[in-house]
Amino acid sequence: AQSVSQHNHHVILSEAASLELGCNYSYGGTVNLFWYVQYPGQHLQLLLKYFSGDPLVKGIKGFEAEFIKSKFSFNLRKPSVQWSDTAEYFCAVKGGSQGNLIFGKGTKLSVKP
Amino acid sequence: ETGVTQTPRHLVMGMTNKKSLKCEQHLGHNAMYWYKQSAKKPLELMFVYSLEERVENNSVPSRFSPECPNSSHLFLHLHTLQPEDSALYLCASSQDRGGPGEQFFGPGTRLTVL
Repeated sequence: AQSVSQHNHHVILSEAASLELGCNYSYGGTVNLFWYVQYPGQHLQLLLKYFSGDPLVKGIKGFEAEFIKSKFSFNLRKPSVQWSDTAEYFCAVKGGSQGNLIFGKGTKLSVKP
Repeated sequence: ETGVTQTPRHLVMGMTNKKSLKCEQHLGHNAMYWYKQSAKKPLELMFVYSLEERVENNSVPSRFSPECPNSSHLFLHLHTLQPEDSALYLCASSQDRGGPGEQFFGPGTRLTVL
């Protein structure tokens, strides 16, 4: 069965620090990869996605993620976080054309001003 | 309104009550989903509808009963729930069930079962 692992439950950073959130998945076939963000009191929204092509994907608000097929990873990065990035971040994987979206448990990011 | 809307946003119910959650998408999508979000657990897919037909039921107890009268509306009927059913229930939609397109989520209904 497909699964998604997010390594950190809660990450606390100061403003301007660099961010990397880990995501690993288990699925042997073609995958579509997503990062969603849930700001406090708001709904889940798409941050970025990978379908094919360049494995380095740029998303909104300065976020990027790199798909490393050999490592089954899709880590999220941002060079300099802001207080407004405080949110919960979810990695999700969709395997196959009829596959369901499988989510990780989420990583809560707290950015101190 | 745009996107995916859900009502009510908060619901408190007793174990013997019957209530319904409503979801509406204004995106012209063909697939709709119900998820359960509990603390410290991954989002759990409950039901999938494609073109108003239920295509997946992820071993959800029968006290949860979905209904999709048309491609824009999705309901989740609740009856004789248990306290462990307290969670955030999210509705989502996508262009089609197959294909790589992302899902768009509503704000959720925070359900508390007393």
